[in-house]
Amino acid sequence: AQTVTQSQPEMSVQEAETVTLSCTYDTSESNYYLFWYKQPPSRQMILVIRQEAYKQQNATENRFSVNFQKAAKSFSLKISDSQLGDTAMYFCAFMKGQGGSEKLVFGKGTKLTVNP
Amino acid sequence: SQTIHQWPATLVQPVGSPLSLECTVEGTSNPNLYWYRQAAGRGLQLLFYSVGIGQISSEVPQNLSASRPQDRQFILSSKKLLLSDSGFYLCAWRGRQLNQPQHFGDGTRLSIL
Repeated sequence: AQTVTQSQPEMSVQEAETVTLSCTYDTSESNYYLFWYKQPPSRQMILVIRQEAYKQQNATENRFSVNFQKAAKSFSLKISDSQLGDTAMYFCAFMKGQGGSEKLVFGKGTKLTVNP
Repeated sequence: SQTIHQWPATLVQPVGSPLSLECTVEGTSNPNLYWYRQAAGRGLQLLFYSVGIGQISSEVPQNLSASRPQDRQFILSSKKLLLSDSGFYLCAWRGRQLNQPQHFGDGTRLSIL
């Protein structure tokens, strides 16, 4: 079974600075997908960024980028120029790359606080 | 564009009462559908998923059940709620293509008294 580990329960960063959230996963699959979701205080789950395991290039979405290290099974999220609106819980998630139901396996989350 | 609707947003129920949470998706057909529960300050636990009408898979044994009476409708039910059923319930959908992420509804905050 796949597992996802987020080793940082809480983190804080000053506004405009850069922060990196870590995520590691365990799987024997060769084809899979990785995601970062953001859950602000409103509790809505918002997709931040995704990475296909077969792609070597790290995904980037505006101020959000990932460092995907397949051999190390590591998938960290970097937030540049942090903004107050980035304050949220961040969840790393894994999905097998087969057709069908494909369920997400979530980490326990990292609570990020951006300070003014 | 696709949208997902989940209601009610907030629900307070006494122990032993029944439950029905509803989720509908618009703008897509034949989606995969999911129900998650999130306890306070914790991650998401997958409860049920469905790949088609009438097809329900349960991930965790519990007093909850799910049904999919229509292609884009997913219902979470209970005949008798327990205190431990309190939490935040999220519905999600996903398209059939391999690289599609899950998209979530706004959630239902359920409090059991």
